[in-house]
Amino acid sequence: GQQVMQIPQYQHVQEGEDFTTYCNSSTTLSNIQWYKQRPGGHPVFLIQLVKSGEVKKQKRLTFQFGEAKKNSSLHITATQTTDVGTYFCAGLNTNAGKSTFGDGTTLTVKP
Amino acid sequence: NAGVTQTPKFRILKIGQSMTLQCAQDMNHNYMYWYRQDPGMGLKLIYYSVGAGITDKGEVPNGYNVSRSTTEDFPLRLELAAPSQTSVYFCASSSQGRGAHSFEETQYFGPGTRLLVL
Repeated sequence: GQQVMQIPQYQHVQEGEDFTTYCNSSTTLSNIQWYKQRPGGHPVFLIQLVKSGEVKKQKRLTFQFGEAKKNSSLHITATQTTDVGTYFCAGLNTNAGKSTFGDGTTLTVKP
Repeated sequence: NAGVTQTPKFRILKIGQSMTLQCAQDMNHNYMYWYRQDPGMGLKLIYYSVGAGITDKGEVPNGYNVSRSTTEDFPLRLELAAPSQTSVYFCASSSQGRGAHSFEETQYFGPGTRLLVL
């Protein structure tokens, strides 16, 4: 079945440093979604990418979807303590009828 | 809109007991999901439903059952609770659809139910 791999599993950064998490799918995706889960909270939708090569920005967050629609990345510029949490990608393969989540990257930020 | 609601928020069960985790959404979404999340781990799909009367297994369905008699409700049933079912359970809903470029989906999660089986 479809697999979505996410790396790294954990990332510890100093406040102000940049952070990137990568997502790779074993199959071509219709779209990729990104979610953030704060400690003790539930996953919250951040953004969705649907076009090959698409790049979207939300303030300090930059999301990319690969040309082959099999990989994606989330980059945070100049991390802040409010960025802590686990970031999940989820890939929708319409043949599967549902999105498959990666295992997430947990970000900790040292002030 | 309340979004996705889950009850209870927290429950302690003894081994062998049964319970139903409730999930409801008021967004008229066709798709609903149940996930479990063990401490420090990712989301594992238990069951999902693409519409009322239709359910399908996810990657970890053993020990659980679901039903979808209405669009709004998607309860998860544990028949014989085991310590391995200690976890946080999240319900989610979405409306998959064809956008301008491709199929699109946004999942909305409930606040979760923390279950401890002793």
